[in-house]
Amino acid sequence: DTGVSQDPRHKITKRGQNVTFRCDPISEHNRLYWYRQTLGQGPEFLTYFQNEAQLEKSRLLSDRFSAERPKGSFSTLEIQRTEQGDSAMYLCASSFLTTSGGDTQYFGPGTRLTVL
Amino acid sequence: DAKTTQPPSMDCAEGRAANLPCNHSTISGNEYVYWYRQIHSQGPQYIIHGLKNNETNEMASLIITEDRKSSTLILPHATLRDTAVYYCIVRGSLNTGNQFYFGTGTSLTVIP
Repeated sequence: DTGVSQDPRHKITKRGQNVTFRCDPISEHNRLYWYRQTLGQGPEFLTYFQNEAQLEKSRLLSDRFSAERPKGSFSTLEIQRTEQGDSAMYLCASSFLTTSGGDTQYFGPGTRLTVL
Repeated sequence: DAKTTQPPSMDCAEGRAANLPCNHSTISGNEYVYWYRQIHSQGPQYIIHGLKNNETNEMASLIITEDRKSSTLILPHATLRDTAVYYCIVRGSLNTGNQFYFGTGTSLTVIP
């Protein structure tokens, strides 16, 4: 399977703990996006990378959240001092930006976080 | 914030065409219309996108009105596996805006 993969698929943690999620994009995709989705809502943009550069962050991305894409391939999203409000599905997507403007995003299966 | 308006829910009989409308009256000339769907507890799945012309692929057809203020996604022969939430998104190309605004979509139920 050459699609976007995410690990872990499920994470249960206690409030105050730190968690880290990993995303492996489709090979050679130069853009990588993180979204958060809560029950009954559509995905909400958090941040994105072009290669290893983090180009944009949403105001949803508080200082407890940090994302990296050190070598322009896989990415990690860390949440420090988790709160119950962080419980959500965290989605990763990747795309290949072309000069014609094509930038279709392909999503992974998501990581479901539950903070107790 | 989302730039599109979709009905919250729709039903469709199995085997019939499902026509899902989307209003995007503030769309700019360089913004594409994308459609995704999300089956419960899975990541969104890309369906189709277009700029001005109608588009068709193996999954669906996309009809965009001449003024580009609305569009319709057509699933020609709906099956039970098409039951999902369908999102219509407008998005600029390249440097005019990079994230997708999903909104709450249309929950399509295909009825046997």
